[in-house]
Amino acid sequence: GQQLNQSPQSMFIQEGEDVSMNCTSSSIFNTWLWYKQDPGEGPVLLIALYKAGELTSNGRLTAQFGITRKDSFLNISASIPSDVGIYFCAGLTGNQFYFGTGTSLTVIP
Amino acid sequence: NAGVTQTPKFQVLKTGQSMTLQCAQDMNHEYMSWYRQDPGMGLRLIHYSVGAGITDQGEVPNGYNVSRSTTEDFPLRLLSAAPSQTSVYFCASSYQGGGYTFGSGTRLTVV
Repeated sequence: GQQLNQSPQSMFIQEGEDVSMNCTSSSIFNTWLWYKQDPGEGPVLLIALYKAGELTSNGRLTAQFGITRKDSFLNISASIPSDVGIYFCAGLTGNQFYFGTGTSLTVIP
Repeated sequence: NAGVTQTPKFQVLKTGQSMTLQCAQDMNHEYMSWYRQDPGMGLRLIHYSVGAGITDQGEVPNGYNVSRSTTEDFPLRLLSAAPSQTSVYFCASSYQGGGYTFGSGTRLTVV
């Protein structure tokens, strides 16, 4: 299957700090998605990106579809305690979505 | 509007037993998929369907069967459970080209 490399694997930040994470692949994707998963729950879609170069915001979250179509970035501004969770990227090629291994975010009050 | 409903939420099986994980969606989505989630592995695609009557294999299909007789339902069958199938299973659905909506998962332990 396709390999999506997500980094960093984990982050520990102070409340109020900004967060950046990214997802890279050797393959080209047509769509990039970012999900958040809380413990014991299924992933919830945060942002969907459909075009190379696209920059999309959802509240304090901003994501970008890389120009090469092989990467995507997620930024969270002014983090708050409820941002804690695991963030997954996913890329669509053909009919299949492939997921990264996740970035675990811990926010210290 | 319930979204994606998975049952059961928890299950313990003995090695060699078979069972079916149920998944239903009420959003009239064409696409449905089954993923398994293991620590450090992210979500891996087991099987997927692009419409009623059409299914295909994902990355890790061995030991699992699916069928899609209706748009709403996409059950996952474990034919002969093995300890390596201990995992959290997620069903998801979407319209074509859209992002997946996930169910809340089935936590399966095979002993």
